[in-house]
Amino acid sequence: GESVGLHLPTLSVQEGDNSIINCAYSNSASDYFIWYKQESGKGPQFIIDIRSNMDKRQGQRVTVLLNKTVKHLSLQIAATQPGDSAVYFCAETHSGGYNKLIFGAGTRLAVHP
Amino acid sequence: DAMVIQNPRYQVTQFGKPVTLSCSQTLNHNVMYWYQQKSSQAPKLLFHYYDKDFNNEADTPDNFQSRRPNTSFCFLDIRSPGLGDAAMYLCATSSGRTAPTDTQYFGPGTRLTVL
Repeated sequence: GESVGLHLPTLSVQEGDNSIINCAYSNSASDYFIWYKQESGKGPQFIIDIRSNMDKRQGQRVTVLLNKTVKHLSLQIAATQPGDSAVYFCAETHSGGYNKLIFGAGTRLAVHP
Repeated sequence: DAMVIQNPRYQVTQFGKPVTLSCSQTLNHNVMYWYQQKSSQAPKLLFHYYDKDFNNEADTPDNFQSRRPNTSFCFLDIRSPGLGDAAMYLCATSSGRTAPTDTQYFGPGTRLTVL
């Protein structure tokens, strides 16, 4: 069945280092991917997205990489800050049918000073 | 600022006592979603409205109902809350006009406690 999963449930990094959060998906029909950040007690916050016709997209301090060959998605955060501490979810959807998001399990990012 | 608003942020109810959670949006989006999120888990879609069309997920219990009286508001009704229904309930919206890049925007959530 369809699934989006994460390799690492918890990631600890030092402030200032770069962080990489990984995600695997299994539905080859997926054509749109989103990363959400969820801080404790808050709703998921949109970070960045990427369509399947791209392999890289950059935002402010964040980069998403998509490797369709191995069905792998990653989120890179440059110069990680304490405010980046949160749970990060990848989600995917495809254009067949309505916009149902399939979420990965989530990775907790802990940033240490 | 355009946003998704959920009230209340925290709700306590008793076992079996009906409860209603509310969501409103100022984004003028066509689609509104309700998710259930339990601790350390990903959000789980319960149902969504595309305009007035209600779409229930196959595994959503009958105990959960929803109403959308107008574009801006959507309600989640839990008819007889059980202890297992304690969770964060998230409302999200999307424009419904730009599939598949139809980004969902989430509200802050309502944390439901069942005593």
